[in-house]
Amino acid sequence: AQSVSQHNHHVILSEAASLELGCNYSYGGTVNLFWYVQYPGQHLQLLLKYFSGDPLVKGIKGFEAEFIKSKFSFNLRKPSVQWSDTAEYFCAVIWNRDDKIIFGKGTRLHILP
Amino acid sequence: EPEVTQTPSHQVTQMGQEVILRCVPISNHLYFYWYRQILGQKVEFLVSFYNNEISEKSEIFDDQFSVERPDGSNFTLKIRSTKLEDSAMYFCASSRDSGPTEAFFGQGTRLTVV
Repeated sequence: AQSVSQHNHHVILSEAASLELGCNYSYGGTVNLFWYVQYPGQHLQLLLKYFSGDPLVKGIKGFEAEFIKSKFSFNLRKPSVQWSDTAEYFCAVIWNRDDKIIFGKGTRLHILP
Repeated sequence: EPEVTQTPSHQVTQMGQEVILRCVPISNHLYFYWYRQILGQKVEFLVSFYNNEISEKSEIFDDQFSVERPDGSNFTLKIRSTKLEDSAMYFCASSRDSGPTEAFFGQGTRLTVV
């Protein structure tokens, strides 16, 4: 079965620290990749997505992610986090010829002021 | 900006009762989804719906669950005879196309079964 793995379940950082959240997915052909964010009490919002082209994708709020096909990875990065980045982050994948998103378990990010 | 809206935001129900979770997708979207997130666990796919019928469902979506688009704007998830383990956040989503496209999510309905 197709799966999405997020390695860090809970990350605590100080403001201005750099962030990298890992995401790996199982092999299954062509993929489309997403990172969603869920701020406390709010709905899932799309941070960024990769369909094709440049494997380094820039999203909203200074986030970026890099698609490394050989490693089946799509890690999320931000060079300098802010307190307002405290949220839960979900990696998600759609495999080609499929119509549902499979989510990872999520990473809860807590930024210390 | 158009958004998916869900009502209610929080529903408490007694075990064995039926609940209906309501969603209003974005108006020009054609594909609709329900996901759920049990506390502390990942967001899980339940069902996708297109052209007034279910296009795909997960093993979670058993006979206890049903979906309907009763009036062309609402998209509902009905859970018959709720169980304690149905307690979760239920997210509705819609997209204009299927496959590799962006799905827009609602804010979720927190269902608590007591």
